[in-house]
Amino acid sequence: DGGITQSPKYLFRKEGQNVTLSCEQNLNHDAMYWYRQDPGQGLRLIYYSQIVNDFQKGDIAEGYSVSREKKESFPLTVTSAQKNPTAFYLCASSIGFVAEAFFGQGTRLTVV
Amino acid sequence: AQSVTQPDIHITVSEGASLELRCNYSYGATPYLFWYVQSPGQGLQLLLKYFSGDTLVQGIKGFEAEFKRSQSSFNLRKPSVHWSDAAEYFCAVGSLTGNQFYFGTGTSLTVIP
Repeated sequence: DGGITQSPKYLFRKEGQNVTLSCEQNLNHDAMYWYRQDPGQGLRLIYYSQIVNDFQKGDIAEGYSVSREKKESFPLTVTSAQKNPTAFYLCASSIGFVAEAFFGQGTRLTVV
Repeated sequence: AQSVTQPDIHITVSEGASLELRCNYSYGATPYLFWYVQSPGQGLQLLLKYFSGDTLVQGIKGFEAEFKRSQSSFNLRKPSVHWSDAAEYFCAVGSLTGNQFYFGTGTSLTVIP
């Protein structure tokens, strides 16, 4: 079955550590996205990528980094510079910005 | 600037009652509009989408939405709500010029027996 796989489902990070969230898709989509979801704030765009080896900052990119070395993979690193990283992170992909986005099941990151 | 507003943070309806979730958007060109549903701790699932043509669109799970350009609205409706419809609902607009999707803050639906 085609879809988007995010791993892990739950992740715990100590203060000062970097962590990487995985996102893989087998839908052959060009565009991929990372969103952060906090209660009452909807989805906020962190980074997006339209093609391999290219990505752009979204509205809340500070403290995050991404790479897009393969079409099917778009990992997100939450760095120690992100002061409030506890949140639910969603990865998505689409054919383009005027087609629907398909979402992964999310990763819940907690700082301990 | 593009934006999406869902004015109702939380709605409670009785099972079997009708439902309407409101969505207003701000966008300079013809919008590409979507409704998604999210169960707790899960990703988002597409309910329906509007790109062009008939302004009343049908989606999955018995949902429909109507695009009203004059009101900049894309409200989601269901004639008879089931307990399994309890979830968070998000309206979104796709922006070709902005190269991203804009999401509303969501409406949480509670269904009481």
